[in-house]
Amino acid sequence: DSGVTQTPKHLITATGQRVTLRCSPRSGDLSVYWYQQSLDQGLQFLIQYYNGEERAKGNILERFSAQQFPDLHSELNLSSLELGDSALYFCASSVGGDGPYEQYFGPGTRLTVT
Amino acid sequence: GQQLNQSPQSMFIQEGEDVSMNCTSSSIFNTWLWYKQDPGEGPVLLIALYKAGELTSNGRLTAQFGITRKDSFLNISASIPSDVGIYFCAGLPSQGGSEKLVFGKGTKLTVNP
Repeated sequence: DSGVTQTPKHLITATGQRVTLRCSPRSGDLSVYWYQQSLDQGLQFLIQYYNGEERAKGNILERFSAQQFPDLHSELNLSSLELGDSALYFCASSVGGDGPYEQYFGPGTRLTVT
Repeated sequence: GQQLNQSPQSMFIQEGEDVSMNCTSSSIFNTWLWYKQDPGEGPVLLIALYKAGELTSNGRLTAQFGITRKDSFLNISASIPSDVGIYFCAGLPSQGGSEKLVFGKGTKLTVNP
């Protein structure tokens, strides 16, 4: 158990809909990262938050947004969903700041768009 | 750019054999991490490396931070069926000042009992 929790575990929704994925980092970690992993693909970095502020942005679509709350949990919002958005979405956390930079991953949310 | 070339892409081995995989880049990295991912699960951190030349073991796993800081190696000795999975390397670039890891595309390991 990495200490990172993600809900829900599975999500099935229709095209055009909007969903919210939730992540709670390990105790003491200030940085949260979101990744997308499509079938048999590598990990695509979406976005990072550090202590409530956006820190780095990857290949995140404009239809996607995220935020980190004062209690450090984070939410990833996916809107106007398309079939191609079906994937595993992982959250990871790290201490942040000056390191160490080891990221610990949650169990993921499997999103299926039909 | 800051890309990681991970090889081999896949490996099919017999139980008991040793395994080697590596990651290389044209850029310098400050940190190397190795993860294992089981199907449908989140990647699990295996080993973290912070110094050039560092050699670190975790049970049957041994990883090294290359002297040039542009590569890293992971070895698994005496493989067992539960070693099956996808192994990812990840590096923290020395340039950029961010905490964003660069990931390799993974090595898929199959162990035949």
